[in-house]
Amino acid sequence: DAGVTQSPTHLIKTRGQHVTLRCSPISGHKSVSWYQQVLGQGPQFIFQYYEKEERGRGNFPDRFSARQFPNYSSELNVNALLLGDSALYLCASSLIAGSTDTQYFGPGTRLTVL
Amino acid sequence: GENVEQHPSTLSVQEGDSAVIKCTYSDSASNYFPWYKQELGKGPQLIIDIRSNVGEKKDQRIAVTLNKTAKHFSLHITETQPEDSAVYFCAASINYGQNFVFGPGTRLSVLP
Repeated sequence: DAGVTQSPTHLIKTRGQHVTLRCSPISGHKSVSWYQQVLGQGPQFIFQYYEKEERGRGNFPDRFSARQFPNYSSELNVNALLLGDSALYLCASSLIAGSTDTQYFGPGTRLTVL
Repeated sequence: GENVEQHPSTLSVQEGDSAVIKCTYSDSASNYFPWYKQELGKGPQLIIDIRSNVGEKKDQRIAVTLNKTAKHFSLHITETQPEDSAVYFCAASINYGQNFVFGPGTRLSVLP
């Protein structure tokens, strides 16, 4: 069975640009969460979506936005990129938000902002 | 909000020895505590989890214990092998699989 997939694998952008990251959950999973992992730290929660609705939001500025599509895939958008946005962006999927199901992570997208 | 602390930040053990990583959490409402292993260049991989109504859970060489009163939980790896070398993260969640808060991680090195 395919796990969580993310694209692209790596991305290089310059300050001020915007970026779109994509995630496909495990088949049958309806919830997708996004995390930012700065080098040497644990992942930090950004968003959770379930059935196309936002179910949770972490402490990130409004430059960060996301959405979930009818097929449960998701996009994370970041506008006006800053150097500090350089990180590994992880997507995780679970069957149902807020259930006893755990989250399974994808390999991440490595974003470098120059 | 929830805050998760994790110790030690680095841990070196000899192959065959045991390794213990400890985490504390601040929000008594947290009810789900997974542990993830992250290898270089990969996303975190779930290795074991425990829910608040259970005090201990074991899966082969890996075990997790939870003390709700003290708000801490620990990962125990026995008979360590070189392939156990990785960064391990603990996490806590209110309402089970929502909004995980992760600890800062422990880099485990198993020396042959």
